[in-house]
Amino acid sequence: GAGVSQSPSNKVTEKGKDVELRCDPISGHTALYWYRQSLGQGLEFLIYFQGNSAPDKSGLPSDRFSAERTGGSVSTLTIQRTQQEDSAVYLCASSFQGAVTEAFFGQGTRLTVV
Amino acid sequence: SQKIEQNSEALNIQEGKTATLTCNYTNYSPAYLQWYRQDPGRGPVFLLLIRENEKEKRKERLKVTFDTTLKQSLFHITASQPADSATYLCALVNTGGFKTIFGAGTRLFVKA
Repeated sequence: GAGVSQSPSNKVTEKGKDVELRCDPISGHTALYWYRQSLGQGLEFLIYFQGNSAPDKSGLPSDRFSAERTGGSVSTLTIQRTQQEDSAVYLCASSFQGAVTEAFFGQGTRLTVV
Repeated sequence: SQKIEQNSEALNIQEGKTATLTCNYTNYSPAYLQWYRQDPGRGPVFLLLIRENEKEKRKERLKVTFDTTLKQSLFHITASQPADSATYLCALVNTGGFKTIFGAGTRLFVKA
C-alpha cells in the first residue's frame, strides 16, 4: 500500500482478554517501530524491529506485551490479559534505514479496555 | 532519567505571526532531533530532521535550531496560517540511530 496500515482502527475489549494489533509497513522499509500514546501524553517507545529481529525490546511495559515481525514485513503486537491501563492509541511507524530517516506513521489502533 | 520537555500549554498566535515552539531535554545526548506534526486522530507526520553538528535547518516556512550545549531545540513557523494549527512533537534519536524518544507535544492554535 501507499502508507503504513494498522488494523483494527478501534478495538474495545474486556479486561483480561488478549488482543492482537497488526501493522503493515510501507513496502521496502526495513525498520518498524511500535509506540503507545495515552491521552494528552507523548509517544512512548515500545519496540523496534530491523528486519525480523528486535534489537531493543526495553520499552515493552510488562511481559504481557510481545511483538513479532515475520518476513521483514507485517508486525503484530500482542497484549495478553489486558488491563484498563493498557487503554491507549497504539501507533506503528516504519522507515527505510532507521530513525535517521523519516518515520512514516500509521493512523493507529485505539484500544479501550473495559 | 532521560526527559524531553515541551510547553504543555497551548500556544495561541495570530495569523501572519511567527510561532516559536521549544523542546528541552536532559540526560540525553542525541545524534539527531526530529520535529513532527500531529493532527487529531492521526499519526504524526515528519517535518524536519537536524543533526547534532548542525545549528540550523530550514524548509519553506519552517526553521529548526539545535543547541547541544543548552540541550534545546527551537521550532519556528513564519507567516503562520490557521492550517498550521496542530500539535508539534519533537523527537530525539540516539547515536544507535533507532530508539526515538518523543516529547508530549505542544498544541498550536493560529487564529485568522
